[in-house]
Parts: sequence; C-alpha cells; structure tokens
Amino acid sequence: DAEITQSPRHKITETGRQVTLACHQTWNHNNMFWYRQDLGHGLRLIHYSYGVQDTNKGEVSDGYSVSRSNTEDLPLTLESAASSQTSVYFCASSVGADTGELFFGEGSRLTVL
Amino acid sequence: KQEVTQIPAALSVPEGENLVLNCSFTDSAIYNLQWFRQDPGKGLTSLLLIQSSQREQTSGRLNASLDKSSGRSTLYIAASQPGDSATYLCASPQQAGTALIFGKGTTLSVSS
Repeated sequence: DAEITQSPRHKITETGRQVTLACHQTWNHNNMFWYRQDLGHGLRLIHYSYGVQDTNKGEVSDGYSVSRSNTEDLPLTLESAASSQTSVYFCASSVGADTGELFFGEGSRLTVL
Repeated sequence: KQEVTQIPAALSVPEGENLVLNCSFTDSAIYNLQWFRQDPGKGLTSLLLIQSSQREQTSGRLNASLDKSSGRSTLYIAASQPGDSATYLCASPQQAGTALIFGKGTTLSVSS
C-alpha cells in the first residue's frame, strides 16, 4: 500500500543545532506539505511544494527551509533550532492542486532544549 | 482570507447518542471542505471531502454537510461508540488548489 512516512518520529536537540526532518511518500503525489501542531494554535502551514523544484512559504516559515529534488521526498530543515520550534511536525501529500484529499504522516515530535 | 472555526473545543456524550460537530468558515466562496480524525499521538486521517458543488457526503455512520450561504459545515455521527473518541478537525483551502487551513478541532469523548 502507498504511504507517507516521517523520520525520526522523536528527536531531542539543542538550541542552535541544524535539524532535518524527513518525509517520504509513495503515493506519487505532486503536492507535499509541512505543518506544525501546537496546543492552542492547531495546525499551521510551514512550507509546501506543488512539484519537483517548487517550494512555497506558508504561514509560519521563518527559521525553516525545504527542498524538492524528487517527487517522493520533502525534507524540512531547521537551520538553527530554537525552543519555540518545539512542536509536533506533520508531513502531508495530495494528488493534485484540484484534489483536496490530504494524506498525513504519523508526525515527528521535536524537542529543542 | 479563509478562517475556519470549530466550537466547542470538547464534547462528551454517552455511547449510542447521535451527535453533530460544527465547523464555520468565513469565505463563502469555498472550494471544498474536508473532515479529519486524529487519534492521540497519531497523524490525521481523512474522513470526508465535500466539494463546493455538493451538499453532503456520507461514509458509514458519518454524514458531512456543507452550507456555503451560512458558512457552516456539520459532521453528523450516528449511534456513537467509544471507538469514535478522537479529535475531529475540519479544513478548507485558502483558495482553489492551495494548502488547507485547519480549524483547531473538537475533541470528542464517547463513554460506555
């Protein structure tokens, strides 16, 4: 079965370190998204991509970057981790711009000390 | 800008009760609306997707409706079960073909 996987599922890091969260999907979806989920804020969009070499900023993109070199992967990089970036991060994908059904990974819980 | 609101934030019901979860949105030119379920520590699972041209969608005991004129969608759960306990979120694109904007969810607890 097609799926979307995130790694690592849990990570603890220190302030100032660079961190990369991986997202891999086997749906062959064009669209991929990164959200963060925090109590009181719900899900907020960080970055998204509509295809290879395409990346766009979302609502809370400061301090994060993404790159899309192939269809399957959209890694999320925290350039210099901050305590405010402690959160649960979700990757998601959808088949096309006009098809709204979104499929989510299981999430990556990041703690920045 | 599309904004999505879900009230109440939490709801408790006894097993067997029929219930309605509410979702409000600000832009009536909605493209579609999607309902998700999230279990603790898990990702989101898509339940139902309603396109703007549709009034409702059904899947098993779930029925979602869309009323663009009132800016409201509802998720009806029939004969609730303890296994329905989860957080339910609704979401809509900012505009056609763009990323989803999520409500903060309603956490449902069904007691046996």
